[in-house]
Amino acid sequence: QSALTQPASVSGSPGQSITISCTGTSSDVGGYNFVSWFQQHPGKAPKLMIYEVSNRPSGVSNRFSGSKSGNTASLTISGLQAEDEADYYCSSYTSSSTYVFGTGTKVTVL
Amino acid sequence: QVQLVESGGGLVKPGGSLRLSCAASGFTFSDYYMSWIRQAPGKGLEWVSYISGSSSHTNYADSVKGRFTISRDNAKNSLYLQMNSLRAEDTAVYYCARDGESNGGDFDYWGQGTLVTVSS
Repeated sequence: QSALTQPASVSGSPGQSITISCTGTSSDVGGYNFVSWFQQHPGKAPKLMIYEVSNRPSGVSNRFSGSKSGNTASLTISGLQAEDEADYYCSSYTSSSTYVFGTGTKVTVL
Repeated sequence: QVQLVESGGGLVKPGGSLRLSCAASGFTFSDYYMSWIRQAPGKGLEWVSYISGSSSHTNYADSVKGRFTISRDNAKNSLYLQMNSLRAEDTAVYYCARDGESNGGDFDYWGQGTLVTVSS
């Protein structure tokens, strides 16, 4: 199972919106609505930000939103803040009843 | 509050074995699927294995199939990963994670991780 494809880096100024893409296949992202997004700060464990494509866990800011079209899922961060600077990973359930993560995206707040 | 605490990591020679443990608290452990997820130094996340609440369902990434075995003891609120025939490429921080209510990879709680280093 190959990793889902994410851009290596995305940057934006405070207050701006950015979008991170996550491209898979019909056997993972395109075939199921079990796409999650995780935020990871250096030296810390990942944190769930979005699940089932577009649902936010309790306590996660509504500045984070998720969507999906075909084989590509997206995470949008609006009103970018300094604390949003981190690595972001998508993940998806697969047709092999396994999970696959994305390659990861480093978000930089300029 | 939900807490997951991994242990058992360390330095092991190629071909060796190691058993990781994850102690869970703050929730009804037997109600949830649990996964092991790893992260090689400076690299991305890689899902390794999951196990259902009753241990009836397990699955593994191709990279570890036949070498790693996941198990759990609900009476002890503990998750385990037996790792055999270890290779240099298994070097990573290993996290245990709870699969949340949707049971679809919404890993909502993670431990702090335990480092496994495979080197001669």
